Amino acid sequence: QSVLTQPPSVSGAPGQRVTISCTGGGSNIGAGYDVHWYQHLPGAAPKLLIFGTTNRPSGVPDRFSGSKSGISASLAITGLQADDEADYYCQSYDLSLTRIFGGGTKLTVL
Amino acid sequence: QVQLQESGPGLVKPSETLSLTCTVSGDSISNSDWSWLRQPPGKGLEWVADLYSSGTTYYNPSLQTRVSMSVDTSKNQLSLKLRSVTAAETAMYYCARWIGGPTGWFDPWGQGTLVTVSS
Repeated sequence: QSVLTQPPSVSGAPGQRVTISCTGGGSNIGAGYDVHWYQHLPGAAPKLLIFGTTNRPSGVPDRFSGSKSGISASLAITGLQADDEADYYCQSYDLSLTRIFGGGTKLTVL
Repeated sequence: QVQLQESGPGLVKPSETLSLTCTVSGDSISNSDWSWLRQPPGKGLEWVADLYSSGTTYYNPSLQTRVSMSVDTSKNQLSLKLRSVTAAETAMYYCARWIGGPTGWFDPWGQGTLVTVSS
């Protein structure tokens, strides 16, 4: 069982906006630690999408954005495209001195 | 650009030691901090170990008594050893560059190597 909780799946039609939530607790996200997001396509290396809660690496489209409030963070994807279909994972730091991940969310583009 | 490639035996017997290698290209391994992570089939990602460029290592507390991570700068390679493995440690194992300190992120990642623990 993952320390950070994500919905197992989300879906949306092309062009729509979807959000993926990532809920932690007072010893991680609620303690003020940054959240990072990754996109994982089957058979490929996980790819960094968002770092430091809101920052996009070079090359990541501005359709992807991150935010945080309280003990939760969110990844928003606008203008949904077929090749956005993938698994998405959030990651943060916990006061137990570990890096922690969410269980992953499978995004389906309808 | 930095690229990482994991390699390993594929199959390890229960109670034996899992040994993996990660070859880094595109930069000197001494210039960055590095990590190992894993993902059991159908489950989420788990951080395993960190190695600072200074040589200091940090391990997931749940694995600390069985895991070790090291570097071979002459080959630009990382290694991971996990002793006394069980079937529950069947997983895809990834190496990644770690950026931003303890609260930082992983970028880039290797494609991973699947390790099955079975007799």
